[in-house]
Amino acid sequence: RKEVEQDPGPFNVPEGATVAFNCTYSNSASQSFFWYRQDCRKEPKLLMSVYSSGNEDGRFTAQLNRASQYISLLIRDSKLSDSATYLCVVKTGGSYIPTFGRGTSLIVHP
Amino acid sequence: NAGVTQTPKFQVLKTGQSMTLQCAQDMNHNSMYWYRQDPGMGLRLIYYSASEGTTDKGEVPNGYNVSRLNKREFSLRLESAAPSQTSVYFCASSERTTGVNSPLHFGNGTRLTVT
Repeated sequence: RKEVEQDPGPFNVPEGATVAFNCTYSNSASQSFFWYRQDCRKEPKLLMSVYSSGNEDGRFTAQLNRASQYISLLIRDSKLSDSATYLCVVKTGGSYIPTFGRGTSLIVHP
Repeated sequence: NAGVTQTPKFQVLKTGQSMTLQCAQDMNHNSMYWYRQDPGMGLRLIYYSASEGTTDKGEVPNGYNVSRLNKREFSLRLESAAPSQTSVYFCASSERTTGVNSPLHFGNGTRLTVT
């Protein structure tokens, strides 16, 4: 089983839709979780950290489920500009190496 | 405040040539990383430096060397380039490697083609 798994998609949704992605991780000692956004041929950019109690940033909501070992990203009122690949990243507290998922592709169409 | 700066942005090499990819950060981060990204493969860690003066191998270190020149700079060297090293290379830094909530910040990438 891969350490961090994501559904590659693509998720193809109309503007205004709500879409959610999940990311599962295998190491129960994982402590830090992040969502990144990557546009085609560009560098990954931090979208948001994921906190234990869940957190929201505008249209984006991140949740952590430690019992089932997954994090989620919910995007409300999707915009064309949300089209990108979304990467989840997991770190254990004592590890120097963050582990990246391969990403979920989102396409928002008019 | 430029963040993480990589040079060059593009490079074409012939097989067997050598080159050094440069990376510098101005965020006073302790940790720095080099990744490569190939289509369908995701990001793969080549080398990382937990702090100034230390470097360690990542998932795919063969064919590469690194130097943590000082706290700001972390370079990646290809001694004898091979077509399999055609990729997009990203440098990243983080405040620290251990502890929670220390995300990575990436440079713009170097697109390398080896013919």
